[in-house]
Amino acid sequence: ILNVEQSPQSLHVQEGDSTNFTCSFPSSNFYALHWYRWETAKSPEALFVMTLNGDEKKKGRISATLNTKEGYSYLYIKGSQPEDSATYLCAFDRGSTLGRLYFGRGTQLTVWP
Amino acid sequence: DAGVIQSPRHEVTEMGQEVTLRCKPISGHNSLFWYRQTMMRGLELLIYFNNNVPIDDSGMPEDRFSAKMPNASFSTLKIQPSEPRDSAVYFCASSLTSGLTNEQFFGPGTRLTVL
Repeated sequence: ILNVEQSPQSLHVQEGDSTNFTCSFPSSNFYALHWYRWETAKSPEALFVMTLNGDEKKKGRISATLNTKEGYSYLYIKGSQPEDSATYLCAFDRGSTLGRLYFGRGTQLTVWP
Repeated sequence: DAGVIQSPRHEVTEMGQEVTLRCKPISGHNSLFWYRQTMMRGLELLIYFNNNVPIDDSGMPEDRFSAKMPNASFSTLKIQPSEPRDSAVYFCASSLTSGLTNEQFFGPGTRLTVL
């Protein structure tokens, strides 16, 4: 069994607050780490794919960092807005030729106006 | 590209009835995944196919669930007989495994309600 852990499970912040959450994954057999954004009543959409230790990705107010040696990734949201409310999923990619990803259970973010 | 297509988007049925969910992956993708979203388990992998061949069905809850992929552009997930505890959103996703990474693209989901 391959464990991908995300914390916290849920998070409530006020508009304008900055926030961050964690994805922990095995440090062995690492190929890539995927972040998805999943809005209520919609389907998960890819945010970032990270492959290199020390990698840092940014899209607008959202950024992510990666530490493959210790097996964690952080997702940061600067100046949260209500439209950032969603579940953020991470998925561990072992580079399987069959395509399997191992998803965490997600962090559910609610941003109050 | 139309993306991953799922049908129906919503299904309401009575306990004991057969339910068939359908998925059309992105053209050219060679892996297809069926997931179920539940409050208890989050996004749960049910079964996946590679080049139309079932690879791992260990996530299928019980024998009432079956899935097929007769060709590269179509897959079905069938529940027979359905039970109220099967009520959930079922997602289909596809990916191209020869790409740079195994990024999966999700369909809009089918919301199943079993009364």
